[in-house]
Amino acid sequence: GAVVSQHPSRVICKSGTSVKIECRSLDFQATTMFWYRQFPKKSLMLMATSNEGSKATYEQGVEKDKFLINHASLTLSTLTVTSAHPEDSSFYICSASAPPSGNTIYFGEGSWLTVV
Amino acid sequence: SQQGEEDPQALSIQEGENATMNCSYKTSINNLQWYRQNSGRGLVHLILIRSNEREKHSGRLRVTLDTSKKSSSLLITASRAADTASYFCATDTSGTYKYIFGTGTRLKVLA
Repeated sequence: GAVVSQHPSRVICKSGTSVKIECRSLDFQATTMFWYRQFPKKSLMLMATSNEGSKATYEQGVEKDKFLINHASLTLSTLTVTSAHPEDSSFYICSASAPPSGNTIYFGEGSWLTVV
Repeated sequence: SQQGEEDPQALSIQEGENATMNCSYKTSINNLQWYRQNSGRGLVHLILIRSNEREKHSGRLRVTLDTSKKSSSLLITASRAADTASYFCATDTSGTYKYIFGTGTRLKVLA
């Protein structure tokens, strides 16, 4: 079946640096991918919609200059957390749809980011 | 933003008992999905129910949907310790795969 892969699964970075997380659809083309953030013991919060070949659409309250999203190909979207701070430490998870499979949406395994 | 509110926030039951979790949402939906998440892990898809469906079953899982009340419930029968996890509902309001998650229910099944 369709698989969405995220890399890295865990990353530790220093405050002030940038870190990139990749989301790949392995056996299907995804024109749209979604990025979520989840704090411990909390629900998933939608951050942005990643559109292949165009600018991402960000949810209210999400800083587009801090969370850079690039969807340069039909199988890859990247989320770059710029100038990371400890409060950016979180679980980041992406999803991608695989039409024409109806309402099927596939989630990646998630990426744990720790900013020290 | 959160589309769905789930209750209870936390539920602790004995193995063999049934567990019921409820999800209420705010706007009309195209479909609703239920997911399970073990601590620190990714999501496991459980059931999708479309807006024109009222009930679906999958093994020990039963999902109902009441669009007039904008609510859904997930019933896990004969629970097992391995069912211990967080459960989330997620709604798609526009058919664009843009899912908004509920607040989640943390289920603990005691052996």
